[in-house]
Amino acid sequence: GQNIDQPTEMTATEGAIVQINCTYQTSGFNGLFWYQQHAGEAPTFLSYNVLDGLEEKGRFSSFLSRSKGYSYLLLKELQMKDSASYLCAVMDSNYQLIWGAGTKLIIKP
Amino acid sequence: GAVVSQHPSWVICKSGTSVKIECRSLDFQATTMFWYRQFPKQSLMLMATSNEGSKATYEQGVEKDKFLINHASLTLSTLTVTSAHPEDSSFYICSARDREPGELFFGEGSRLTVL
Repeated sequence: GQNIDQPTEMTATEGAIVQINCTYQTSGFNGLFWYQQHAGEAPTFLSYNVLDGLEEKGRFSSFLSRSKGYSYLLLKELQMKDSASYLCAVMDSNYQLIWGAGTKLIIKP
Repeated sequence: GAVVSQHPSWVICKSGTSVKIECRSLDFQATTMFWYRQFPKQSLMLMATSNEGSKATYEQGVEKDKFLINHASLTLSTLTVTSAHPEDSSFYICSARDREPGELFFGEGSRLTVL
């Protein structure tokens, strides 16, 4: 079956760095997405990786290793507004998105 | 980036009534739109894939006669929750892509509360 695993919850301190991991097993691979979702709101796009390596976009970076079925989202210089759920999703061979359950990130002052 | 608009944002209705939710791609043509449901503290659950001009493809366990999906044009898809019951209360979100594969753009979501 298809499976996306990510931690349920993480806590970090304002100004620090946090890495949210995601491992996957899917039928085919057409890219991995990271989305941010604040409570009560729709998800917003953060990143898309289809090739191995690190993609950097401001304070957020995303890494992918296809051979390991592994990705991480790195958030630097954490701000209180970064408190949200972070969803990992993989596009399978049918171009369908398989969603992880999300990681709730709690930022403390 | 591309914009997807969803309406209404909030809706409260009585049990037994039907509710229609609209999803529009404002600046691109979306041949495929997706409808999700999200219960509190849970991840997105794909309900159906909506293709312009054809019948929607429903995920296992989703009642197609209860959740009517119409994708009449390249910029509009609608979800109608028929004979709504309190257990249908949820956050319904649509999304669309402007190409395959590509970034998925989400609507703002519609929170349905059935009394």
